Formats: sequence, C-alpha cells, structure tokens
Amino acid sequence: KAGVTQTPRYLIKTRGQQVTLSCSPISGHRSVSWYQQTPGQGLQFLFEYFSETQRNKGNFPGRFSGRQFSNSRSEMNVSTLELGDSALYLCASTRSGLAKLEGASYEQYFGPGTRLTVT
Amino acid sequence: AQKVTQAQTEISVVEKEDVTLDCVYETRDTTYYLFWYKQPPSGELVFLIRRNSFDEQNEISGRYSWNFQKSTSSFNFTITASQVVDSAVYFCALSSPRGSTLGRLYFGRGTQLTVWP
Repeated sequence: KAGVTQTPRYLIKTRGQQVTLSCSPISGHRSVSWYQQTPGQGLQFLFEYFSETQRNKGNFPGRFSGRQFSNSRSEMNVSTLELGDSALYLCASTRSGLAKLEGASYEQYFGPGTRLTVT
Repeated sequence: AQKVTQAQTEISVVEKEDVTLDCVYETRDTTYYLFWYKQPPSGELVFLIRRNSFDEQNEISGRYSWNFQKSTSSFNFTITASQVVDSAVYFCALSSPRGSTLGRLYFGRGTQLTVWP
C-alpha cells in the first residue's frame, strides 16, 4: 500500500511569492492534516480536513490556507511568503470517519514532507 | 489545555544499552490518544504506536516497549538493546478526537537519541 506522498520535496522561494504544496493521502484515508516544523517552534498544527471540509485550524495567519478535494488529496497554500515560513511542512493522513463503536482508527501516518526555503 | 512535555532533550547511549524516553502529558479530556513517532535524519515522521486513554495495558513489540500510566500522566517508551539505526528524534504526541476526526496532535519538543557503536 503506498504511503502518504508530498510534492514537491524541496522548494526555494523568494519573499513575497506564494507557494502551493500538495499531499496525497494513503488510499482509503479521508482525513488530511498539515503541520509545520521549525527548529524554534517544533511541530505546529496548521489545519485538518475531512470530506473536503476544514475541521480544525491552528494559530497561523490567514496567509496559510488549504483545501481538500473529493479524492481526499489536499493542498496548502502560503501567500506573501516571509523568511519565517522556511520550514518542513508535513502532511498526515488518517483513516477517520468511523463510528466509535466500529473502532475508529486514529493512527496518523505522515508523508516525507516538503522542505520550503524562503530567501 | 493540552500539553506534552519531553524533558529529555538529548540522550546518548552505547549500542546494546537499554534506553527509556520520558513523556508527560496534560489534558482535561477523558478520551484521548497518545502517540510515539520517530523522525530519522530523512525527516519523515514514522508512526510507532498509538494508545487510547481507556487502554492502560502496556505493550512490548520486539525491542520496543511502552509504559502508559494515567495516574502519573506518563507514556514512556523503552528501547531494549539499542542499535545505531535507532538514532533519531523521538516525539510523543497527544490528541483528543473530535467527532469523526482525530483532531490536532500536540507534540512534545522531541528527544534526540544518539546510539554510538
């Protein structure tokens, strides 16, 4: 079974530009979450999507946005890039959506990440 | 508020030693999940284990074992007979599912484990 895939793996952008990162979850997984990892702040939650709807959002400015498509693939967009946006962006997929009695699977699997460098 | 504390920033051991990584969590929720992830130098977070708040049974899987104690809000992870390939950053995380989704994971700052040959 293929794992979570993220594209591109590496990206270099200039301040003020915008960037779109893509994530394809594991087949059958309907929930996708995004995290930002930096040496200073550690792993921080960006947002969570399920069935094309944003279910949770972290404390990031409006420059950070995302969406999920009907095939569960997700994209996140950062507009007006700042130097501080340089980070590893990780996508995770979860086989959510099962009723509690069915034994919801909350194992969350991460992709390899996209390393974004803003110059 | 949810919080995960990994007090050990770095641990160094020599191959074949046993090592325990500590994790203490805070939550007011009665239903929650605890996770351990491993992040090797390649950067990908590798899922190791998930435990829910209703299951305090400790588990052993090969060289790995986990000790979950609700009374002390701890979820420690032990590697027996460590190997060089175990060198990585290990993260403990907490989540309280909301409806049909997992919700956000709250991560600790991680423990850098270095295993020397």
